[in-house]
Amino acid sequence: ELKVEQNPLFLSMQEGKNYTIYCNYSTTSDRLYWYRQDPGKSLESLFVLLSNGAVKQEGRLMASLDTKARLSTLHITAAVHDLSATYFCAVAPVMYTGTASKLTFGTGTRLQVTL
Amino acid sequence: EAGVTQFPSHSVIEKGQTVTLRCDPISGHDNLYWYRRVMGKEIKFLLHFVKESKQDESGMPNNRFLAERTGGTYSTLKVQPAELEDSGVYFCASSQGVLASGRGETQYFGPGTRLLVL
Repeated sequence: ELKVEQNPLFLSMQEGKNYTIYCNYSTTSDRLYWYRQDPGKSLESLFVLLSNGAVKQEGRLMASLDTKARLSTLHITAAVHDLSATYFCAVAPVMYTGTASKLTFGTGTRLQVTL
Repeated sequence: EAGVTQFPSHSVIEKGQTVTLRCDPISGHDNLYWYRRVMGKEIKFLLHFVKESKQDESGMPNNRFLAERTGGTYSTLKVQPAELEDSGVYFCASSQGVLASGRGETQYFGPGTRLLVL
């Protein structure tokens, strides 16, 4: 059974600081996703990482994937208050039909950026 | 382009009653997924439709849950009879289902239905 572990569960950080959220998964997977959720809102797709060594950046967020270590990281640079949210990683195998399948989620990291 | 929509946004029912949740996926998305997050737990997969067919229903907890997607458009998830442990947030997601590009593989989520069973 695929397991996804995310840490930390909760992160309080000051504006301007850098930090990294870690996502470990237990078995080989073809797709690694990062989502953001604001309270009471939908999950917003941030990144889709498709191969070993993949790195994607959007603003102050950068995600990377190491399939050999079964590890993805979400790095936050110079945090601002607007980044406060819950961040989820999720993994999915690719079905033999070539379509993606169900996502297995990590527990989520609740990020709070303070002044 | 309209996103994934879900109805109702909130539902409070008593144990033993029936509730039906609805999901309208993004137009043209063949894949539709249902997930659930019980308080304090991870978001868990329930089932996956490809058009009107159930591709994977391995996450459905028991036979009190019935999902349909008639005509391959919107989907409903019925819980009958509801139990206390069914409380949580039910998310629906859709995707194009074509692995031609990164965007095509992304699952787009609705806002969720918050279900409380008393």
